[in-house]
Amino acid sequence: DAGVIQSPRHEVTEMGQEVTLRCKPISGHDYLFWYRQTMMRGLELLIYFNNNVPIDDSGMPEDRFSAKMPNASFSTLKIQPSEPRDSAVYFCASSRTGNGYTFGSGTRLTVV
Amino acid sequence: RKEVEQDPGPFNVPEGATVAFNCTYSNSASQSFFWYRQDCRKEPKLLMSVYSSGNEDGRFTAQLNRASQYISLLIRDSKLSDSATYLCVVRRRDAGNMLTFGGGTRLMVKP
Repeated sequence: DAGVIQSPRHEVTEMGQEVTLRCKPISGHDYLFWYRQTMMRGLELLIYFNNNVPIDDSGMPEDRFSAKMPNASFSTLKIQPSEPRDSAVYFCASSRTGNGYTFGSGTRLTVV
Repeated sequence: RKEVEQDPGPFNVPEGATVAFNCTYSNSASQSFFWYRQDCRKEPKLLMSVYSSGNEDGRFTAQLNRASQYISLLIRDSKLSDSATYLCVVRRRDAGNMLTFGGGTRLMVKP
């Protein structure tokens, strides 16, 4: 089992640019979660999907953020346009109903 | 008030010491409980689930007090490798499979 795979591991971009983060969940997991972690705010849930359908996106900061899950094996989180305050580590996690999460290694985003 | 509250620490302890962390949760609909461990610049990883009767995994003991709505983690004979942030996590009965994470307690074990 390869675990949850995220790409890229690191991303440095200029303010105003579009950023796309990618996630491949563990096969057979029916839930996928996107989190953001900063020193100030800890782990924040942005959005989660169940069977590829977005269930709760109330944590998405604003319209600049969007997430998709076109199939059971792939999800993206897009920020357009990016701002310096978006700098954080973005984690993707997946799980099966009733079980704990498995996190990916995260994408460390720096917007300059 | 946050749904899951933890003392952020840091807890600085010598090797071999016993250390305990507490966590309180505010929603009585919480039904499942976990401790996750996060190393610096790494992803959180499941350490152990917490059962109503209390459970032990080697040097780690987790306990749940539903009446007072708190969870504890006890680490005996601390090792240098135990240095990490420990996240208290709850799942509510009404929230599907969504977990709510506490802010974490940082532990530093010194030689």
